[in-house]
Amino acid sequence: ETGVTQSPTHLIKTRGQQVTLRCSSQSGHNTVSWYQQALGQGPQFIFQYYREEENGRGNFPPRFSGLQFPNYSSELNVNALELDDSALYLCASSTTAGGPNEQFFGPGTRLTVL
Amino acid sequence: AQTVTQSQPEMSVQEAETVTLSCTYDTSENNYYLFWYKQPPSRQMILVIRQEAYKQQNATENRFSVNFQKAAKSFSLKISDSQLGDTAMYFCAFTPGAQKLVFGQGTRLTINP
Repeated sequence: ETGVTQSPTHLIKTRGQQVTLRCSSQSGHNTVSWYQQALGQGPQFIFQYYREEENGRGNFPPRFSGLQFPNYSSELNVNALELDDSALYLCASSTTAGGPNEQFFGPGTRLTVL
Repeated sequence: AQTVTQSQPEMSVQEAETVTLSCTYDTSENNYYLFWYKQPPSRQMILVIRQEAYKQQNATENRFSVNFQKAAKSFSLKISDSQLGDTAMYFCAFTPGAQKLVFGQGTRLTINP
């Protein structure tokens, strides 16, 4: 069974640029959630995708957008990057949306915005 | 507001000791689920233990147990016989109904040899 994977591992961008982060969910999981973890903080929920539809969104501006594909992998896109977007971006997959089901986390993508 | 507060930014204990990490939360929901996640240095976040709010019995997973006080909205984690491999950031989290996990700020736990 393959766990959650994310790419790239690290990324450096400049202000105003756009970035795409990728996540492959664990086998058998149809739900993917994205979190932003600033240095020294707990993860903050960005949004969740369930069967290719957005299924809830946190307090993030529209320049944060996402996609989920038929194989349940997912992308997080961030436009017009700002310095405060520098963070570890975590992807988590689960068998269903919400509830007691464990969310399995990937290793994260470390984004640095200069 | 749905928030989680971990009042201990850092803790340090000797190997084999017992340590308790504190967590309080705020929600108006009646049904929810509580979790403790562990994030080792430079490694993936993994689930340590979970508790369903409608269950009064405290969850236990080997050396890990919780003290769940629903009325007080408190959910502490006890680690018995601590081991060097327990060194990590520990996050308390809950799901207020559906979809998202709401995390606390974390407690950095160091187990000393």
